[in-house]
Amino acid sequence: ETGVTQTPRHLVMGMTNKKSLKCEQHLGHNAMYWYKQSAKKPLELMFVYNFKEQTENNSVPSRFSPECPNSSHLFLHLHTLQPEDSALYLCASSQDESSGGSWGTDTQYFGPGTRLTVL
Amino acid sequence: KNEVEQSPQNLTAQEGEFITINCSYSVGISALHWLQQHPGGGIVSLFMLSSGKKKHGRLIATINIQEKHSSLHITASHPRDSAVYICAVGGTRGFGNEKLTFGTGTRLTIIP
Repeated sequence: ETGVTQTPRHLVMGMTNKKSLKCEQHLGHNAMYWYKQSAKKPLELMFVYNFKEQTENNSVPSRFSPECPNSSHLFLHLHTLQPEDSALYLCASSQDESSGGSWGTDTQYFGPGTRLTVL
Repeated sequence: KNEVEQSPQNLTAQEGEFITINCSYSVGISALHWLQQHPGGGIVSLFMLSSGKKKHGRLIATINIQEKHSSLHITASHPRDSAVYICAVGGTRGFGNEKLTFGTGTRLTIIP
């Protein structure tokens, strides 16, 4: 398996369910990201993990809970979501050469995304 | 007004045509990314550039830092180039943890 993988690819859940999205990168990168893409809106950054440490939390509601157990794996735990949370959730990774500095300068490699529908 | 503006929002062209997609931004940046999103959601990073020009196959990306403008060109376009092309800009080095800011994308359709 190469690149960035995400599972599941599609997820339908009720508002009271608890589910998790998984991302795995096989590129030896040290930074991982969660993005949300809603219909007709730009990509929104949710979380950044750099060297397994969360360095960015872009005002995301607490019903989204990230976990980064190591530099290759990233999870997004979902709990009591709302229908407006339905979107494509994308994971990305990059090699941050700047020791936690301006990570926006590193090429990010994206996974295929998980299309989430909240009923 | 968005910090990153792309034009056009939608573009339909015949196979073989030369394609240009534009991106203008209003913030200080240290790098600009061009991404390609295929139907179904998968995103591929095409270019990251901070000055000048880069070329990969039929794709060419240019950036003018003074004018805060970048263009993505596709030569000899093909139906498989049909996708959404997204411009994203990264923060100024030294400020730390500046997030990427994305444009809304340009939907390109190439007709055989």
